[in-house]
Parts: sequence; structure tokens; C-alpha cells
Amino acid sequence: GAVVSQHPSWVICKSGTSVKIECRSLDFQATTMFWYRQFPKQSLMLMATSNEGSKATYEQGVEKDKFLINHASLTLSTLTVTSAHPEDSSFYICSARGILSPLHFGNGTRLTVT
Amino acid sequence: QKEVEQNSGPLSVPEGAIASLNCTYSDRVSQSFFWYRQYSGKSPELIMSIYSNGDKEDGRFTAQLNKASQYVSLLIRDSQPSDSATYLCAVNQGGSEKLVFGKGTKLTVNP
Repeated sequence: GAVVSQHPSWVICKSGTSVKIECRSLDFQATTMFWYRQFPKQSLMLMATSNEGSKATYEQGVEKDKFLINHASLTLSTLTVTSAHPEDSSFYICSARGILSPLHFGNGTRLTVT
Repeated sequence: QKEVEQNSGPLSVPEGAIASLNCTYSDRVSQSFFWYRQYSGKSPELIMSIYSNGDKEDGRFTAQLNKASQYVSLLIRDSQPSDSATYLCAVNQGGSEKLVFGKGTKLTVNP
């Protein structure tokens, strides 16, 4: 079945630095990928929709200049958390779908900002 | 904001019993409904998808959809301790590929 790979699985960074998270669709082409964030004991909240070859669409309340999304190819989307702060510490999960297939999730990235 | 509501639980059932998980949604034009299982610290894993009214069975899992009542459920037969997890209901936001998730129901299956 479809597989979505996410890297890194966890990262610790210092406040003020930037962190890049990669999301790859391994055996299908994904024109659209989604980035979610999940705080402890909360549900997944959609941050943005990543469209191959065009600008990402951000959900209300998500700062596009802070969470930079690049979807340069049909199999790769990246999320860069810029100038990270402790409140950005969360579980970031990407997802993607191929044609006529349900959404599949990457394994997630646990970000801790110290 | 379209909403998806789930009982947060926790729901505890003995091993071998039937676990029943419920979900209601507010967006009447939603067409796609999903149940995901999420173990602690892990990413969600797709369990079932359902698109039309009625029941859909896959092994020990049965999804039930009633669009008139805006209600979708998941039944787990012969529950196993390995089924212990948080179950997330997800509904597509009408006319788009976006999924709106409920907060999840935590299920514990006791040996």
C-alpha cells in the first residue's frame, strides 16, 4: 500500500533556530500533501495544504512566514519551522494521498524546542 | 468551523467484548468518513473508510454511516488488548480534501 515517509522522527533544537521536516510519498505521486500539528491529548489540527508547484494554503491562525512549506516535487514536501520557540514544541505529522486512495500519514516528527 | 465530535472516553471493555465508538459531524455535505487508530506517541493509522450509508465490514471492524443523522460509528468485535489506542474519527470538509478530526476516543481493552 501507499507509504508516506517523514524525517526526522524527532528533533531537539534551541529557541530561535530553524528546523526542517521532510515528507515523502514513497510509491505514489502526491500533488497535495497536508501538514498537521498535534499537541498532547489533543486532536490533529490542519496547519496547511501543500500543493506541488504552487504556494501552500494555510489555515486560519497559522503564520505562513513562520511555517514555511515547500512542495517542489510530486513526492516531497518540506515544512520549516523558523525561529522556533518552546510553544512550537509539538508533534508534526504530514499526510498525502494518491489518486483514488485514502489519506495516509507519515510517522510524525516530535519537535522539542528548548 | 466544521466540527467532529467524539466521546473522549476512556472506554474500557473486557477482552473479547464488542467496543462501540461513536462520532457525529456538523458538515452536511461531507462525503468521506474515516476511522484512524493512534497509539501513544505514534502517527494515526487508517482503520476504515466509508462513503455511503449503511455498514461496511473489514475483519473485526465494522463502520456504520448514517448521513441523515450525521453519525458514524466503529464497532470492534472480539476486542484484543492490542486494540487499546485512541480512535480518531475524521470527516472531509465538504467539497475539499481537507479532513477534520475529532479529539479521539481512548479505548482500553482489559485482558
